[in-house]
Amino acid sequence: HVQLVQSGAEVEKTGASVKVSCKASGYTFTDNYVHWVRQAPGQGLEWMGWISPNTGYTKYGKIFQGRVTMTRDTSTATAYLEVSGLRFDDTATYYCARQFSESFYLDYWGQGTLITVSS
Amino acid sequence: IQMTQSPSTLAAFVGDRVTITCRASQSVSNWLAWYQQKPGEAPKLLMYETSTLDSGVPSRFSGSGFGTEFTLTINSLQPDDFATYFCHQYSDNSWVFGPGTKVEIK
Repeated sequence: HVQLVQSGAEVEKTGASVKVSCKASGYTFTDNYVHWVRQAPGQGLEWMGWISPNTGYTKYGKIFQGRVTMTRDTSTATAYLEVSGLRFDDTATYYCARQFSESFYLDYWGQGTLITVSS
Repeated sequence: IQMTQSPSTLAAFVGDRVTITCRASQSVSNWLAWYQQKPGEAPKLLMYETSTLDSGVPSRFSGSGFGTEFTLTINSLQPDDFATYFCHQYSDNSWVFGPGTKVEIK
């Protein structure tokens, strides 16, 4: 069955960078785009961007361009999200999610990774 | 594209029929999904393309609408349904979520 398993929670200082991993299993990793979505405490869902595991091509949301990098390692079926220049308002749970191969909705989600930014 | 939802919170009894409305600032055709999220958990896909239930989702959930206005209806609310619901448009190479509707026990 399809699973996306993310790395564990992290605490980082302002200005630092953090890299979150998302390991896929139960399907062919290169067949489906992987999206990243974040959720600040008690808030809604905010789309960050996607990566094509097949080509490595990425599309980022406008407010994240220049601060976010999405990569993938096809040998381990893992997608990565790196956020640089961390600010207090980057404190959130970060989710990876798989895009259904024949449409654009997100059908499977990782369990989430809490990133806390402190001083 | 901006998404809004109403109400932001609703309180209901087990067995009630509840309706949540989602509006888009411009037409998204039928490219709309609904997710259910419980505290501490990831969102779970309920339905896509406005009204198609994901596998395993109970038939008491239904969706309707087109263009800019959509509804999620839960018939005979069950204890497991108390959660937050998000709509999500995925048209025109953009992905935007609604702010969410929290369904609470009355």
